[in-house]
Amino acid sequence: ETGVTQTPRHLVMGMTNKKSLKCEQHLGHNAMYWYKQSAKKPLELMFVYNFKEQTENNSVPSRFSPECPNSSHLFLHLHTLQPEDSALYLCASSQVSPTGDWGYTFGSGTRLTVV
Amino acid sequence: AQSVAQPEDQVNVAEGNPLTVKCTYSVSGNPYLFWYVQYPNRGLQFLLKYITGDNLVKGSYGFEAEFNKSQTSFHLKKPSALVSDSALYFCAVRDSPRDDKIIFGKGTRLHILP
Repeated sequence: ETGVTQTPRHLVMGMTNKKSLKCEQHLGHNAMYWYKQSAKKPLELMFVYNFKEQTENNSVPSRFSPECPNSSHLFLHLHTLQPEDSALYLCASSQVSPTGDWGYTFGSGTRLTVV
Repeated sequence: AQSVAQPEDQVNVAEGNPLTVKCTYSVSGNPYLFWYVQYPNRGLQFLLKYITGDNLVKGSYGFEAEFNKSQTSFHLKKPSALVSDSALYFCAVRDSPRDDKIIFGKGTRLHILP
């Protein structure tokens, strides 16, 4: 375990369903991230939360809705998804500091399949 | 804007041979550089980072990377490859300590042949 836990590990959902992905970090970090990893594509940054405030939204469709209730938890709410949204969704956390001497800790990801 | 390029989609190396996975970057300031590894159906794991100091950085599992400012490169290396090194490797960069995100390359798949 890396200290970042994602649930569920696998999710199959229909295009009309509503589901949520959960991420929890036990590292005391102050920033959390959602990334999308599709086959043969670069990692796509979706959302950034820094001290619980959303600081980045990379033109993500509104069918993806993030929520960060506190610095330890991050959710990704999903509704009316498309088959092309099938991917590995990765959560990461970091301890952002002015020194710049920090990186990410990733969870194991949620493998999402939209049918 | 910061960016990172990994010119090779795949690298094949015989077990026991040295390996190199290439990475070049573009930033406006001083770079903060990282290598991550991903095994199948897992998240990315941190290997090593360059922030400042020695150009040769040593990391996990016997990997090292050489920072070359003139060539804007940060190639990942290992003297003797193991079959268990087979994985997807990502180079990443941040160009400011105030920036709260890291930009990743597209990844290079490393195959170590027995």
